[in-house]
Amino acid sequence: QQQVKQSPQSLIVQKGGISIINCAYENTAFDYFPWYQQFPGKGPALLIAIRPDVSEKKEGRFTISFNKSAKQFSLHIMDSQPGDSATYFCAALWGGGKLIFGQGTELSVKP
Amino acid sequence: GAVVSQHPSRVICKSGTSVKIECRSLDFQATTMFWYRQFPKQSLMLMATSNEGSKATYEQGVEKDKFLINHASLTLSTLTVTSAHPEDSSFYICSPSGGKDYGYTFGSGTRLTVV
Repeated sequence: QQQVKQSPQSLIVQKGGISIINCAYENTAFDYFPWYQQFPGKGPALLIAIRPDVSEKKEGRFTISFNKSAKQFSLHIMDSQPGDSATYFCAALWGGGKLIFGQGTELSVKP
Repeated sequence: GAVVSQHPSRVICKSGTSVKIECRSLDFQATTMFWYRQFPKQSLMLMATSNEGSKATYEQGVEKDKFLINHASLTLSTLTVTSAHPEDSSFYICSPSGGKDYGYTFGSGTRLTVV
């Protein structure tokens, strides 16, 4: 019940394409869903986050779509660029401020 | 946004020695500090949670006597890996929290290599 399942494990997208990463959860007590971007040897950086009372949030080329009834949320990266190549983690927040992370998606954007 | 400073970024130590990692929240007061460990190609795993002035709470399977956490002030927490062994080699990341308004940011991480 505390898991967040993320897919795909790896993703290759052409420059200018749309990258889509999906996450699913079980625990309805989760109330905050951030996405993080991590480059090798660096800590995760917060990209965008959403609360369950919102179905979509957009910040620049990054969009979160949230389906509360299906307990699923996804990250869309529009006009993907080689500089977006990184590992992306979804997460969910539960009691005590603890974040539960998905397994991660290694994104590679080909020029 | 919240600014977090974590040092050192890399450390190599000999087996049996101890290593201290520092994490500072530079522009907010971190009432809670989370420490994570990340093995290569894997996700972040929470090791322990500490509140300022209180003892840390460790996740299942994490040895509290090996990973000593001090959270003596609202802006500084330290993780000391005691009697380090090669299997402790990993990427350690702190996340000071002042609550949801601060977005749960992370330090830049510390790559520990025990030889």
